[in-house]
Amino acid sequence: NAGVMQNPRHLVRRRGQEARLRCSPMKGHSHVYWYRQLPEEGLKFMVYLQKENIIDESGMPKERFSAEFPKEGPSILRIQQVVRGDSAAYFCASSPATGELFFGEGSRLTVL
Amino acid sequence: QKEVEQDPGPLSVPEGAIVSLNCTYSNSAFQYFMWYRQYSRKGPELLMYTYSSGNKEDGRFTAQVDKSSKYISLFIRDSQPSDSATYLCAMTTTSGTYKYIFGTGTRLKVLA
Repeated sequence: NAGVMQNPRHLVRRRGQEARLRCSPMKGHSHVYWYRQLPEEGLKFMVYLQKENIIDESGMPKERFSAEFPKEGPSILRIQQVVRGDSAAYFCASSPATGELFFGEGSRLTVL
Repeated sequence: QKEVEQDPGPLSVPEGAIVSLNCTYSNSAFQYFMWYRQYSRKGPELLMYTYSSGNKEDGRFTAQVDKSSKYISLFIRDSQPSDSATYLCAMTTTSGTYKYIFGTGTRLKVLA
């Protein structure tokens, strides 16, 4: 049973470009979470999604950031017009209906 | 005041020592508690998951929850150099949104 799969593992973008991060949850998991982690800091909640629904996006900046979890395919975290401050590790996690969170290996975004 | 407080360390111990890692929290609505281990540049790995006060043991790891004091602990017995990592506590309510809140992590180094 494959774990949470994230890609790309590393992404380099120039300021103003778009970044798209993908996450495929564990098989049977219908809940997806995105977290951001800065060096030497903890995990900051961004958004919680179920299939085709955003349940809680209170941790996500109102501008430039969006997330989706379509009926088919992976969850996508999209960052438009990236700035240097967006450089971070972005982790996706999935869970069954309720319960333990299982994390992917993360996508590390570097903005030049 | 942060919802979850965790001493960042670093904590250095000799091999074979008993390690105690702790988190305090302020929200009495938290009901589910988790401990994660995160190696450098990797995703967090779930170690322990509990939802009741008291102790839960798994191999060399024991999780302890004291809801009356809003205090949780992770004990590692017979610590090994391979236990060197950052340990994150996490917790959530049963409110339905299941927004997991993480501590900032404690960096542990076990010296051979």
